[in-house]
Amino acid sequence: AQKVTQAQTEISVVEKEDVTLDCVYETRDTTYYLFWYKQPPSGELVFLIRRNSFDEQNEISGRYSWNFQKSTSSFNFTITASQVVDSAVYFCALSEGALGTDKLIFGTGTRLQVFP
Amino acid sequence: KAGVTQTPRYLIKTRGQQVTLSCSPISGHRSVSWYQQTPGQGLQFLFEYFSETQRNKGNFPGRFSGRQFSNSRSEMNVSTLELGDSALYLCASRHFPSGTTDTQYFGPGTRLTVL
Repeated sequence: AQKVTQAQTEISVVEKEDVTLDCVYETRDTTYYLFWYKQPPSGELVFLIRRNSFDEQNEISGRYSWNFQKSTSSFNFTITASQVVDSAVYFCALSEGALGTDKLIFGTGTRLQVFP
Repeated sequence: KAGVTQTPRYLIKTRGQQVTLSCSPISGHRSVSWYQQTPGQGLQFLFEYFSETQRNKGNFPGRFSGRQFSNSRSEMNVSTLELGDSALYLCASRHFPSGTTDTQYFGPGTRLTVL
């Protein structure tokens, strides 16, 4: 069965701290895609990154970085030098199928609060 | 390029009524998906439309339905509203099929309150 687990319900940090959001997934497919979305208080889900199951290269985009490890079925997200604007709920999601054509299965989200 | 737009942004209805929500995808995107977000159940997939046809459906009762028009705009309808239908309804669009995996981009959502 497909499942995404975000064990951290809420994380609070002080500005400039580094923070890692954990994501563990379950799937029987060999071809799948993983995503991270950010949901600020306004409600819109903002796309952050997409990763396919054949590409385990880690990725860095500015203060954001992602660590994909198939061996542990994890796709963790790190924010370096966090800022107040990073405060939001972050969702990890899984999509199965060769073209990522299936529905998105979301984790329960991690609420990140960054205090000044 | 304009993002996904959803109307209305807020709705208040009473039990037993029906409601229609609208979604306009990003220009050039041909697939539209709908998701329901509630505090208890989280984000759940409702259905996906492509080329005016439903190609995927989540585990929701038949009171939830949708359609897609030839310009890719989509509507979802909920009939005989129940208190539990109170939620944020999110619409997402993507190219599909693009030959490679493509990302779903979300709109701001419609917050439905059922009294």
